[in-house]
Parts: sequence; structure tokens; C-alpha cells
Amino acid sequence: EVRLLDSGGTLVQPGGSLRLSCAASGFTFDKYAMSWVRQAPGKGLEWVSAISGSGDSTYYASSVKGRFTISRDNAKNTLYLQMNSLRAEDAALYYCAKSPFGGVIVPFDYWGQGTLVTVSS
Amino acid sequence: IQMTQSPSSLSASVGDRVTITCRASQSISGYVDWYQQKPGKAPKLLVYTASTLQSGVPARFSGSGSGTDFTLTISSLQPEDFATYYCQQSYTIPFTFGPGTKVDLK
Repeated sequence: EVRLLDSGGTLVQPGGSLRLSCAASGFTFDKYAMSWVRQAPGKGLEWVSAISGSGDSTYYASSVKGRFTISRDNAKNTLYLQMNSLRAEDAALYYCAKSPFGGVIVPFDYWGQGTLVTVSS
Repeated sequence: IQMTQSPSSLSASVGDRVTITCRASQSISGYVDWYQQKPGKAPKLLVYTASTLQSGVPARFSGSGSGTDFTLTISSLQPEDFATYYCQQSYTIPFTFGPGTKVDLK
């Protein structure tokens, strides 16, 4: 059974940093691209970042480029999102998500349960 | 690429046929995916590349369209279908979502 377990969300001050994790199981992790998608409270979905199965290629939304870094440890079956210079508008529930097909980023057939990031002083 | 959806919300009854429209700001061929999200839950993939039903999704859901205009149809609305529906373009990065269509009980 595919499982994605998001963690690391917490309250952080504006300008602060945070690292989110997504522990994966039930599939061959390094064969699939992974993404982070966020959802501000009461709002819609926003794709944030993606990484290839090998980790060699990364992609970012313009709203986070230069501040967030996606990475993965295929030996630990874990996806990460390093978030720096956090802003109020980054506050959201962050989901990791998996593509059903090797070599492509979308669509997303499995999602984590989400981890909540709150940015406030 | 901007994605719009209409309507933003709709009220329907069990058994109704429901159609949700998604429009892209430029041609995206058939690269649209549809998700269902219930309160407090992660989104669920329903349809990808405009018309391919995801495994395990009931056949009452269907998708169509190409270019800039796409539709998600629920042929006979069931109680478990009351939710918010999002389209997403999978044509190019950033993979933008539509704003969502909330389907509730009339």
C-alpha cells in the first residue's frame, strides 16, 4: 500500500526557516517524481515544487523560487522541502504528492495527509 | 497558464447530472487533470489527460475537452460526491490549478 506521511509543519516567524519531510512507503521511491502542493486555509491548491526520481532535476513555482529547495534521499525514501525567508503568504497546509508514472511529474495519484505551516510573529 | 472554472459553486440533488467547466488561458492540448477534495482531506485524482479515468474511480465520472475548454461530468450525483472539484493543467510548469467548484446539496 502506498503511503505518504508529511511532517515538519509548525509555527514560524516571518523570515524564519523550516524543513518539511515526506516519508514514502509501498512503492519504489526512486522511480517516481515527487511534488509539494500547498493549500492556504480556505483557499485553493497551489503547486509549489517538484523533483525527478533521481533528484537531478528540480522545478519551482515563481512564488517560492530562490527561497525554497526541494530534495530527496532515495536511500531513506524521504522527500524534503527546505523553506527559507518565510512570509505570511507561505502559511498553508503542505502536501507531498506522487505521480503514477515514472518520468513525469503530473498527475498526482497519491497525496500525503498534509502538514500545516503557520507564519506569524 | 491561468485556469478558470465555472461555476464556482452549484447546488444539486442526488441523481442529478452535473457538469463543471474548466478553461485555460491558452491551448494546452489535452493536458488537464481533475481532482475531488472533501473537507479535511487530501485531493483525490479522478481524471487525467482530460478523459482518462483514474483506476478505482466510478464510471459516473467522465472528462472531455481539448485545447482550452474542458468539462468534468458526473452522470448521476451520489451522496459521496458532494465536494470541491479542481482542474489542473499538466501541460507546462507551473502546473496551475483552477480555483475550484464546490458542489453541495440543494
